[in-house]
Amino acid sequence: DIQMTQSPPSLSAFVGDRVTITCRASQSISTYLNWYQQTAGKAPKLLIYAASSLRSGVPSRFSGSGSGTDFTLTISSLQPEDFATYYCQQSYRTPVTFGQGTKLEIK
Amino acid sequence: QLQLQESGSGLVKPSQTLSLTCAVSGGSVSSGGYSWSWIRQPPGKGLEWIGYIYHSGSTYYNPSLKSRVTISIDRSENQFSLKLSSVTAADTAVYYCARVAYSIVVVPGEDYYYYYMDVWGKGTTVTVSS
Repeated sequence: DIQMTQSPPSLSAFVGDRVTITCRASQSISTYLNWYQQTAGKAPKLLIYAASSLRSGVPSRFSGSGSGTDFTLTISSLQPEDFATYYCQQSYRTPVTFGQGTKLEIK
Repeated sequence: QLQLQESGSGLVKPSQTLSLTCAVSGGSVSSGGYSWSWIRQPPGKGLEWIGYIYHSGSTYYNPSLKSRVTISIDRSENQFSLKLSSVTAADTAVYYCARVAYSIVVVPGEDYYYYYMDVWGKGTTVTVSS
């Protein structure tokens, strides 16, 4: 299985901050990488697919980059509704695997 | 707008079979190009992929669960289902169904398919306990 490792596991930031979350794959996955946002008690929501493609309707303050084994999700200016847990997920090979999540909290 | 809704037994006894259904509205499970997935999330933990079923009926399961999992499609009811046998307390989780879509990147001589789960149900909690 391809292991996905996110860092940091948790992060505190202020509204308006720029935040970057990292995801590393245990082997090269090209750009077969998706990012999801999950707020408490809710289902995950797709933010970014194919490493850097922003899903329609997702605010442009979200961006993704990377290829191979190293990927980042950046939020350019945090808004109150962005405080959530973020997961990366590889679709390069089954079994599909997720990172362990990064919990973004208000400072 | 496509919507998914999970339903099924919320409490299952150890060693029994967990059965869940995902009803699809605003679209069809027979739509070409899409597949349908189950994912679960134990309390306080991360996401675990259970498996896919393609519109054709082909299935792919997580090897860690493969011996116990069956995913099927009911086209007449426009829904798909999950059965997980021989459950234990470790199977206690919120279970989500999701649609799997894809985008194609065309490069001369080859097409690249990027799959992602773009529509999710709200999730249903299943507890395994006697």
